[in-house]
Parts: sequence; C-alpha cells; structure tokens
Amino acid sequence: EPEVTQTPSHQVTQMGQEVILRCVPISNHLYFYWYRQILGQKVEFLVSFYNNEISEKSEIFDDQFSVERPDGSNFTLKIRSTKLEDSAMYFCASRVRGLSPLHFGNGTRLTVT
Amino acid sequence: AQRVTQPEKLLSVFKGAPVELKCNYSYSGSPELFWYVQYSRQRLQLLLRHISRESIKGFTADLNKGETSFHLKKPFAQEEDSAMYYCALSGDKETSGSRLTFGEGTQLTVNP
Repeated sequence: EPEVTQTPSHQVTQMGQEVILRCVPISNHLYFYWYRQILGQKVEFLVSFYNNEISEKSEIFDDQFSVERPDGSNFTLKIRSTKLEDSAMYFCASRVRGLSPLHFGNGTRLTVT
Repeated sequence: AQRVTQPEKLLSVFKGAPVELKCNYSYSGSPELFWYVQYSRQRLQLLLRHISRESIKGFTADLNKGETSFHLKKPFAQEEDSAMYYCALSGDKETSGSRLTFGEGTQLTVNP
C-alpha cells in the first residue's frame, strides 16, 4: 500500500536556524497538509495546500512558516528562524479528494535547542 | 469554530472487557467525524469514519447529533488494541479540503 514518507525522522537545530522538513505524499493525491504535535498536546492543523497554493492556514502558521511543492513529488515545510517552541512532531498528510480519508506520514521530530 | 473533546487522557481495561472511548464535538454545520489510531512507534491511521458506518477491528462509533458525541466502542477489548486514539472532526468545506480538528487523544491500555 502506498504511504506518505517524511524525512528526516528526527531533526535537531539551533534556535534561529532555518529548517526544511520534507514529505513525499502519495502520488495520486491532490491535497496536502502539515500538522504538528507538541509533546503531550493534541495534533494541531498548520496548513493545507491544493492546486499549488495554500488553501487554508491556522493561526500557528505565521510568517516564519512556508510551504512549497517544488516538483511533482515533494511537499516541504520551511521554518525560517526556529524558536524553542517550534519543537514538536510534524506530520505531513495527503488525500485524494477534499473529503476522502487523510493519510499521514510517520512524522519528523524537530528539536530546537 | 470547531472543537473536539476527549475527556479521558488514559483508559485502562482488562482483556475481554468492553471499552468506550468518549468524544464530544462542537461544530455549527454538518461535520464529518473520524477516529484515528496510533500504535506504538507507528503513524496515525484512520480507524473509522461516521459516514461509512462500518466496524473496523471490532470497533464501532455512532454519531449522536443530539448529544454531539461520537464515542468509540468495542465489546471485547484485545491486548493489541492498546494504542493512542484520536477523535477528529472535519467541517463541510468540500472544495478546498477541510482541516481536521483533533481531540487531545486517549491512551488505551488493555491489560492481560
């Protein structure tokens, strides 16, 4: 069964550094998402992406965050200047259509020191 | 605004006992409700969704609009059911693909 893949599985970075989290959604999927989960807290929506543009974003997704689909397969989340509070598990997800089931990747654990 | 509440962070039952994981939601329109499961060291996986009205791994969940609940039930818990369970809600925005709002999660432990 095809899966959403995320790399790296764990990223450690220093405060103020830029970080790029990578995702390869399932190939025939059209809608892409990023969620995050701070340790001990709930999974939170960050952003959705469709037709090469952001379709919805949460209050968390401020100017420090950006997403990109640079080619036909990758979907990236960039954090320009990381803060300690950005430490979390970041999940990429994709779906075929707007209301079809969401498929999640294994997540990238981001640690900001 | 959409909101999902799972009142129990931890739930522990014995093998063979019935289990119910509670979920309440708040949404003004017609939501779609889901249960996701995360086994140890694995990804979030869709367990079931209310519109399909099916039973997966012996679990069922019925949407109760009057009580705004979507509790997950299984009559006889198994040890392999031990996992983190998340209730999630999606709004009714068809064209852009609605965000999922998750509850806090319930860690289910089934003891032998």
